[in-house]
Amino acid sequence: IVMTQSPLSLPVTPGEPASISCRSSQSLLHNNGQNYLNWYLQKPGQSPQLLIYFGSNRASGVPDRFSGSGSGTHFTLKISRVEAGDVGVYYCMQALQTPLTFGGGTKVDI
Amino acid sequence: QLQVVESGGGVVRPGRSLTLSCAASEFNFKSYGMHWIRQAPGRGLEWVAGVSYDGGTKDYADSVKGRFLISRDNSKNKMFLQMNGLRPDDTAVYYCAKAMTTVTTVALDPWGQGTLVTVSS
Repeated sequence: IVMTQSPLSLPVTPGEPASISCRSSQSLLHNNGQNYLNWYLQKPGQSPQLLIYFGSNRASGVPDRFSGSGSGTHFTLKISRVEAGDVGVYYCMQALQTPLTFGGGTKVDI
Repeated sequence: QLQVVESGGGVVRPGRSLTLSCAASEFNFKSYGMHWIRQAPGRGLEWVAGVSYDGGTKDYADSVKGRFLISRDNSKNKMFLQMNGLRPDDTAVYYCAKAMTTVTTVALDPWGQGTLVTVSS
């Protein structure tokens, strides 16, 4: 499954909203009704951390400024009010089938 | 706290072998699938291999199939990646990650800090 993210780079302003798009080459909707789409953030110099699973469920400890939406083949990650600590590269990943595949990443910086 | 820690990276000549380890702590290791993911310098993330909770099912990326072997020792809370026939394009930071849930790999959480493998003559 090919994952395509846009934009490649996203300059943001603290306090303003931001949005990242992710599309998959085939539907990520499992027969259990869940979309097997995750969002990860890799902050500079760190390993990736899970933000969103099942397309819209925030992982433990993730601020509610982050929200995921979408279904099937089109998904969106939104940050309602960007903070300085949100900079890094955001990746979407499909977990519907192996090989697990990632989008190319979106670099978010101030 | 729940964590996974990689080790075993280093510099290796093309064609040689290297084995990475991933040590798990503070969770019931034998109940979760585990994965290896790599990141070449300045590049994105690439899933490498995954193993089921009991070691019975193993999957590989096409780029490493036939060269890499994933395994686990549930008695020691460890996972391994044996890398044979290494090539320069295998150069990357290798991360291990735990499947978030016990039944299927819904997501990967947490990830380790990574170990760098450099393949160079």
